[in-house]
Amino acid sequence: GQSLEQPSEVTAVEGAIVQINCTYQTSGFYGLSWYQQHDGGAPTFLSYNGLDGLEETGRFSSFLSRSDSYGYLLLQELQMKDSASYFCAVHRAPNTGGFKTIFGAGTRLFVKA
Amino acid sequence: DAGVIQSPRHEVTEMGQEVTLRCKPISGHNSLFWYRQTMMRGLELLIYFNNNVPIDDSGMPEDRFSAKMPNASFSTLKIQPSEPRDSAVYFCASSFGQGSDTQYFGPGTRLTVL
Repeated sequence: GQSLEQPSEVTAVEGAIVQINCTYQTSGFYGLSWYQQHDGGAPTFLSYNGLDGLEETGRFSSFLSRSDSYGYLLLQELQMKDSASYFCAVHRAPNTGGFKTIFGAGTRLFVKA
Repeated sequence: DAGVIQSPRHEVTEMGQEVTLRCKPISGHNSLFWYRQTMMRGLELLIYFNNNVPIDDSGMPEDRFSAKMPNASFSTLKIQPSEPRDSAVYFCASSFGQGSDTQYFGPGTRLTVL
């Protein structure tokens, strides 16, 4: 079967570092993406990992370990505007053909002053 | 670029009525996705097109839902007849490729079925 798990909520203080984990179980896996969504807004792309290791984009980094079926999003120097929901998304190529993107349930990040 | 355009932004209708949601993808993108988002079920992929051809419609909940992409710059998602449980935010997204390419989401259509 397929599963995608991430924590439902995380709270951190401004200026801190927070890590949002994502574990997955799926066939045909080939990559993991992260999206950010503010209340009332649309999801926006943050990062993608196709290979094991760390990808860094400014204050945000994302990590993937294919052997552990695990990834995380790291947010540094937290700002109030980072309060949002963060989704991990698994990309897979089913045996039936085509491609499929499956989004996790999302992690709601609260940044406190 | 204007980004992905969706209309209407809000739709309130009564149970049994037909609802049509519209999407214009980013020019040059050849994949288009329709998602539904609710508190209970999260963000679900309903269907996606590549080069105007439906590739995977396994997420379409039932026969009441249908989607078309008559050309590279326009797609519709139709619900007929609509039911209260269809109330959700419907997002359209487009990407250059159909795999792991970044998906650019439109602002969404908030549908309320009374």
